[in-house]
Amino acid sequence: GAVVSQHPSRVICKSGTSVKIECRSLDFQATTMFWYRQFPKQSLMLMATSNEGSKATYEQGVEKDKFLINHASLTLSTLTVTSAHPEDSSFYICSAIQSNYGYTFGSGTRLTVV
Amino acid sequence: AQSVTQLDSQVPVFEEAPVELRCNYSSSVSVYLFWYVQYPNQGLQLLLKYLSGSTLVESINGFEAEFNKSQTSFHLRKPSVHISDTAEYFCAVSPNQAGTALIFGKGTTLSVSS
Repeated sequence: GAVVSQHPSRVICKSGTSVKIECRSLDFQATTMFWYRQFPKQSLMLMATSNEGSKATYEQGVEKDKFLINHASLTLSTLTVTSAHPEDSSFYICSAIQSNYGYTFGSGTRLTVV
Repeated sequence: AQSVTQLDSQVPVFEEAPVELRCNYSSSVSVYLFWYVQYPNQGLQLLLKYLSGSTLVESINGFEAEFNKSQTSFHLRKPSVHISDTAEYFCAVSPNQAGTALIFGKGTTLSVSS
C-alpha cells in the first residue's frame, strides 16, 4: 500500500530558530501534498496545498512567510517553520493523494518551541 | 464550501457493546466521505471511504458506515467494540474534484472500558 514517510517525528527547538519537516511518498508519485496542523484534542486544520513544481496554496490566515512549503519533486514536500515561537508548537501532519482518492497520511511531527 | 459535523466529542462505551459515531456533512456539490482513526501521537489511518456504489461500506476490523444522501450523514458503527478500538475518530469529506484536500470534523474520542 501507499506509504508516506514524515520526519522528524519529534523536534524541540529554541525560539527564533527554523525547523524543516520532510514528507516523502515512498512508493508512489504525489503531484499534490497537503499540510495540516493539529492542536491538542482538536481536529486537523488544513494549512496549505503543495503542488509539485509550483507555489503552494495557503489557507486563509496561514502566514506564507512563516510556514515555507517546497515541493521540488514528485516524492518530497517540505514544511519549514521559520523563526519559530512557542505558539507554533503543534502537531504537523502531511498527506499525499494517490490514485482513486487514496489520501495517505504521514505519522506526524510534534514540534515544541522553547 | 464543505463542512463536517461530528455530533459527539466523546463516546464512552463498555467492551463488547455496540457503538455509533455520528457524522453529518454539508456541501453544495457531490462529495466523497471518509473515516479515519488516530492513535495518540500518530498520523491518521484510513478506516473506510465512500466514493460511489453501495452506500454501505465496511472496514476490515468490523466497522461499517452508511452514506445517507437525504440526511447528509455518514455514521460509523461497530456491533461489538474492543479495548483496542479506543482512539480518536475523524470523519472527513472531499468534494468530487481531483486534487482537493480533505476537510475534517472535530473528531470523536471513543473510550472503551472493561
